Amino acid sequence: QVQLVQSGAEVKKPGSSVKVSCKASGGTFSSYAISWVRQAPGQGLEWMGRIIPILGIANYAQKFQGRVTITADKSTSTAYMELSSLRSEDTAVYYCASTAAGTFGGNYYYYMDVWGKGTTVTVSS
Amino acid sequence: SYVLTQPPSVSVAPGKTARITCGGNNIGSKSVHWYQQKPGQAPVLVIYYDSDRPSGIPERFSGSNSGNTATLTISRVEAGDEADYYCQVWDSSSDPVVFGGGTKLTVL
Repeated sequence: QVQLVQSGAEVKKPGSSVKVSCKASGGTFSSYAISWVRQAPGQGLEWMGRIIPILGIANYAQKFQGRVTITADKSTSTAYMELSSLRSEDTAVYYCASTAAGTFGGNYYYYMDVWGKGTTVTVSS
Repeated sequence: SYVLTQPPSVSVAPGKTARITCGGNNIGSKSVHWYQQKPGQAPVLVIYYDSDRPSGIPERFSGSNSGNTATLTISRVEAGDEADYYCQVWDSSSDPVVFGGGTKLTVL
């Protein structure tokens, strides 16, 4: 069973960038996708994007296009999420999650089966 | 973009059955997944492919999906089931991973 360990809490100024890491252990890092999901205080879950490490291909939610970059280092089994031009509304807990995806019964499926514990990012002047 | 609608809250007495719905246009044609999130913790997958349970999830958790509604059913509810529950699907749109707004399950 894969385990995901995320980097520690961050406090950032508006306009700056933050880079959160997610190190995987167990399983084969390149064989699954890594998704990033955030949750603002008191709010629901919001998908930001994913990366398929074996391909090095990342896809992003439209809302974050141009501001988020998701990368992966196969040599260290670590995924990264960098968010730039931070504003107060980006204050949230950021989760990485291993992701199963494919086609089953004619439907495409995509779900997040193992989650990291989350990284709190606070944006404040 | 695709929208999933969940009731904000559901209350149930211990030992009874809780049903949490997730509405979406023709959601029965999609694979629905459910997550449980307890306060201060990361989400946990409790149902995938509409009705399958990951290892370690009690048989009390079940799911169904048809028409415009998917349902998470928790039988013989326990105090430890109190949490927020989110449904999620993949949609072939610009923002393909869609979560419902979440339902807070309160055990009375």
